[in-house]
Amino acid sequence: GQQLNQSPQSMFIQEGEDVSMNCTSSSIFNTWLWYKQDPGEGPVLLIALYKAGELTSNGRLTAQFGITRKDSFLNISASIPSDVGIYFCAGHQYGATNKLIFGTGTLLAVQP
Amino acid sequence: DAEITQSPRHKITETGRQVTLACHQTWNHNNMFWYRQDLGHGLRLIHYSYGVQDTNKGEVSDGYSVSRSNTEDLPLTLESAASSQTSVYFCASRGQGEREAFFGQGTRLTVV
Repeated sequence: GQQLNQSPQSMFIQEGEDVSMNCTSSSIFNTWLWYKQDPGEGPVLLIALYKAGELTSNGRLTAQFGITRKDSFLNISASIPSDVGIYFCAGHQYGATNKLIFGTGTLLAVQP
Repeated sequence: DAEITQSPRHKITETGRQVTLACHQTWNHNNMFWYRQDLGHGLRLIHYSYGVQDTNKGEVSDGYSVSRSNTEDLPLTLESAASSQTSVYFCASRGQGEREAFFGQGTRLTVV
């Protein structure tokens, strides 16, 4: 099945560092979503983006909807230990499919 | 508060047995989804429903079935459990016309 290309696959950083991850697709999306999954839990929605070029923040998190509609970026500033988890992007496509396509996830580890 | 719950959280079953995983949401969402999560594959769509009596196959539907007799519930049935179905299963729901999906906490299924 179709999946988004999400990178990097994993990141190991020091507390206080900034983090950047991205998703790319060969298809155009009309919505980009970013989720975080804590160990043993379900994905939790962090940020939703609805139009090309949109830049949205949620605390230390900032995400952007790419101009081409084929990519999105998530930045985390001044990371803290509780940022640890897996971050997923998800795209919603134009047309009748009405389904979300998920990226393969970015594992983030933060060392205090 | 409205929510989405899955049960059980953990299940061990034997090969060949029928297993049903429950998903219940109190948001009155029309759209409900079942995903499985495996290392290296991210979240893959098993089945989905856009309303009562509506069910559709996702990309990895073989060996699974769902039924939608009311708005709140979408149980997932493994007709004859196989070791390849050992995975973590997530249910999600989404409101009509909305693009954001909300996830349950997951069910870890082990088939021995």
